[in-house]
Amino acid sequence: QKEVEQDPGPLSVPEGAIVSLNCTYSNSAFQYFMWYRQYSRKGPELLMYTYSSGNKEDGRFTAQVDKSSKYISLFIRDSQPSDSATYLCAMSVNQGAQKLVFGQGTRLTINP
Amino acid sequence: GAVVSQHPSWVICKSGTSVKIECRSLDFQATTMFWYRQFPKQSLMLMATSNEGSKATYEQGVEKDKFLINHASLTLSTLTVTSAHPEDSSFYICSARVLDPPSGDTQYFGPGTRLTVL
Repeated sequence: QKEVEQDPGPLSVPEGAIVSLNCTYSNSAFQYFMWYRQYSRKGPELLMYTYSSGNKEDGRFTAQVDKSSKYISLFIRDSQPSDSATYLCAMSVNQGAQKLVFGQGTRLTINP
Repeated sequence: GAVVSQHPSWVICKSGTSVKIECRSLDFQATTMFWYRQFPKQSLMLMATSNEGSKATYEQGVEKDKFLINHASLTLSTLTVTSAHPEDSSFYICSARVLDPPSGDTQYFGPGTRLTVL
């Protein structure tokens, strides 16, 4: 069993829809949770960073962490074609940004 | 935000040759950098952790004599793939550790280097 599970998709939605992306994990020691966006043939770009359980909002993006269920989510409101990318969840045990463990990534397409 | 660059962005080489990839932090000093490789439609796999002025720490299964890492300054880490073979063809991505209060202690990634070994 992988430490971090993420549905690879592909996921295709119409422009303006609310997108929900999810990851589950098995290691209860994870405390720091991140979402990265990666465009084709580019490096990942940090979108959201959260510590422990709770919600965090930044513009059209909301990250949720439920440590009791070992489940994290990223919501994208008013989705745009420019949001089309692969979204990777990542998590770590220590704050030292050491040993990020990534999910497989979900490939998202927003259709105009 | 923190900017990390990589050079070259794309390289093709013949089997048996060595290739050097540079990773630079442009507007900050990075005491710790990381090297990942990513195969098509797969996630990032950590290869090694590079600390300025000391030897890199390699992940299990990564050949340290094949993937040479040098972190000689606070803004530059290099990965040299020695005696490259076609199975080394991949997308290599570096990241740098950033202590950024709004974002916490996390990693910012370079744009990646696509290596093709013929």
